[in-house]
Amino acid sequence: AQKITQTQPGMFVQEKEAVTLDCTYDTSDQSYGLFWYKQPSSGEMIFLIYQGSYDEQNATEGRYSLNFQKARKSANLVISASQLGDSAMYFCAMREVLSYGQNFVFGPGTRLSVLP
Amino acid sequence: DAGITQSPRHKVTETGTPVTLRCHQTENHRYMYWYRQDPGHGLRLIHYSYGVKDTDKGEVSDGYSVSRSKTEDFLLTLESATSSQTSVYFCAISLSGARYEQYFGPGTRLTVT
Repeated sequence: AQKITQTQPGMFVQEKEAVTLDCTYDTSDQSYGLFWYKQPSSGEMIFLIYQGSYDEQNATEGRYSLNFQKARKSANLVISASQLGDSAMYFCAMREVLSYGQNFVFGPGTRLSVLP
Repeated sequence: DAGITQSPRHKVTETGTPVTLRCHQTENHRYMYWYRQDPGHGLRLIHYSYGVKDTDKGEVSDGYSVSRSKTEDFLLTLESATSSQTSVYFCAISLSGARYEQYFGPGTRLTVT
């Protein structure tokens, strides 16, 4: 069974600094996708960034980058120049292939608090 | 914005009553999903659909059923609600293509008393 581990229940970062949120995954599949989602206090789930298992370069989307280390099965999210609006829950997820669709397995999340 | 709406957004119901949650999408996506979110668990898949009348179970499907009679609507039914089904329920679609990233509806907060 697929599994996602996020070992940091909560993190604090000073505004304008960078922060790394950890994610490790467990899979025997060769082809998979890794995702990060943000959930602010308003509750919606916001897609941030994607990394494919065969992608050779780390994904980047604006201030978000994904530090993908395939041999270590880790997919850490790096947020550069933190802003107050980055305070939220962050979920790491992995896509697994089902019989007729795609499933996402989510980690328990990390709550990030950005301090002014 | 993937054009996903959920109704109702909030519901309080009593143990033993049936409850149906609706997910509606406007962009003809093939794949639709129902998740529940509970503290410490992230999101867990209940059921998913890969087309009209085509559905399959997810990780936590016991006590839930689904139906999809039209592309745009995916219904989640709790046949006899229990307090353990108090949760936030999210509907999602996934895009076609290499990434299949998911986009979520706004969620339904269900309380079973």
